[in-house]
Amino acid sequence: AQRVTQPEKLLSVFKGAPVELKCNYSYSGSPELFWYVQYSRQRLQLLLRHISRESIKGFTADLNKGETSFHLKKPFAQEEDSAMYYCALGRSGGSNYKLTFGKGTLLTVNP
Amino acid sequence: DSGVTQTPKHLITATGQRVTLRCSPRSGDLSVYWYQQSLDQGLQFLIQYYNGEERAKGNILERFSAQQFPDLHSELNLSSLELGDSALYFCASSVGGGAWDYEQYFGPGTRLTVT
Repeated sequence: AQRVTQPEKLLSVFKGAPVELKCNYSYSGSPELFWYVQYSRQRLQLLLRHISRESIKGFTADLNKGETSFHLKKPFAQEEDSAMYYCALGRSGGSNYKLTFGKGTLLTVNP
Repeated sequence: DSGVTQTPKHLITATGQRVTLRCSPRSGDLSVYWYQQSLDQGLQFLIQYYNGEERAKGNILERFSAQQFPDLHSELNLSSLELGDSALYFCASSVGGGAWDYEQYFGPGTRLTVT
């Protein structure tokens, strides 16, 4: 079974400090991993996906298959980064696939 | 604005009842996904429709069903409601049929409260 674990429900950092939101997954195949973000009173939206290897709003995430992790990082947090962050894992098998979300981490960036 | 609309915004109903949630995807998107978000389970994928046909199933209960109509809007039907069905139900849409081939755009959600 595939599973996504975000060990921290809450994470609080100061503005300008580095931030790392942890995500670990369990899946026997080749994972497709994503980070979604939900800002206060806004819709859930895709932040980044591992296949594109892009940096969005200063965030990056590297897939580490050895450690089965896909941690989200930003070197200097900003107050506007305060939001709920969800890690998600996609699994395929012919026409049958699933997208499994972690329970989310609420990031608060203090001034 | 992502363009995905959901109605109603809020729904309060009693146990045992049946409700229908509606979702209109962004213009041009062929896929509609339904998700349930609860405090206990977090965000869970329920089901996906692509161009009118069921494409993938997640953790959807037997009491729940969905369909996508020719105009591509979708409805999620929840029946024999239980207290535990109280949750925020999200709809998302994407251009293509794969869960991660294309970005999913989420709607604002329908908050269902079962009393």
